[in-house]
Amino acid sequence: GQQVMQIPQYQHVQEGEDFTTYCNSSTTLSNIQWYKQRPGGHPVFLIQLVKSGEVKKQKRLTFQFGEAKKNSSLHITATQTTDVGTYFCAGRTALIFGKGTTLSVSS
Amino acid sequence: KAGVTQTPRYLIKTRGQQVTLSCSPISGHRSVSWYQQTPGQGLQFLFEYFSETQRNKGNFPGRFSGRQFSNSRSEMNVSTLELGDSALYLCASSLGYSDTQYFGPGTRLTVL
Repeated sequence: GQQVMQIPQYQHVQEGEDFTTYCNSSTTLSNIQWYKQRPGGHPVFLIQLVKSGEVKKQKRLTFQFGEAKKNSSLHITATQTTDVGTYFCAGRTALIFGKGTTLSVSS
Repeated sequence: KAGVTQTPRYLIKTRGQQVTLSCSPISGHRSVSWYQQTPGQGLQFLFEYFSETQRNKGNFPGRFSGRQFSNSRSEMNVSTLELGDSALYLCASSLGYSDTQYFGPGTRLTVL
C-alpha cells in the first residue's frame, strides 16, 4: 500500500541554523500537505502543494514538491524557538501521514 | 467559525470495554477523517467519511468502526479495547474530499 516516509525523525539545531525535513512516497501523489504540531497540540495545516516541481514560501519556510510528485521537502531558514514542534507531511490519495520530524531548537 | 470539537477530551477505560468518540466538524465541512496518534507510530489514518459514506479506510482491525451522520458529525467506536489502543485520537474535517484538513484537539484514550 501507499507509504510516506519522512526523514529525519528528530533534529536538534541551534537557533539561527537552517533545518530541512524530507518526505518520500512509494507512489505518485495527487498532492502533498504539510502540518505542524506543537508539543501538546494538534496538527495545524501549513500548506498544500499540487503541481510537479512546485515551490512555495511562507516567510522563512520553503516547501518543494518533486518533479515526479513522489517527494517533498520543507526547509526552514534561520530557525527560531517558535519553530519547535513536529512537522508532518501527508500525501493523497487517502491522506497518509509520514511519521513526522520533531524539531528542537536551543537558543 | 467554531473549530472542530471532539468529545470527550479524556477517557479511561479497561481492557475488553468499548468506547465511542465523537467529532463535530467545522460548520459546512462535509468530510471527516479519524487518526490514531501514538509516540511510536505517529499519525495513522483510520477512516475518512464524506457525505455519510466511508471513502477510505486505514489498516486497522474490525474492532475500529465509524460512521457519519447527515449533519456531518461523526463517531468512531472501538470494541474490545486492548492496552495498545491507548492513544490520542484525532478527528479532522475538511470542506470536501481532498481539501485541507482542520484538526480537533483530540481525545486522549487510556486503556488500563
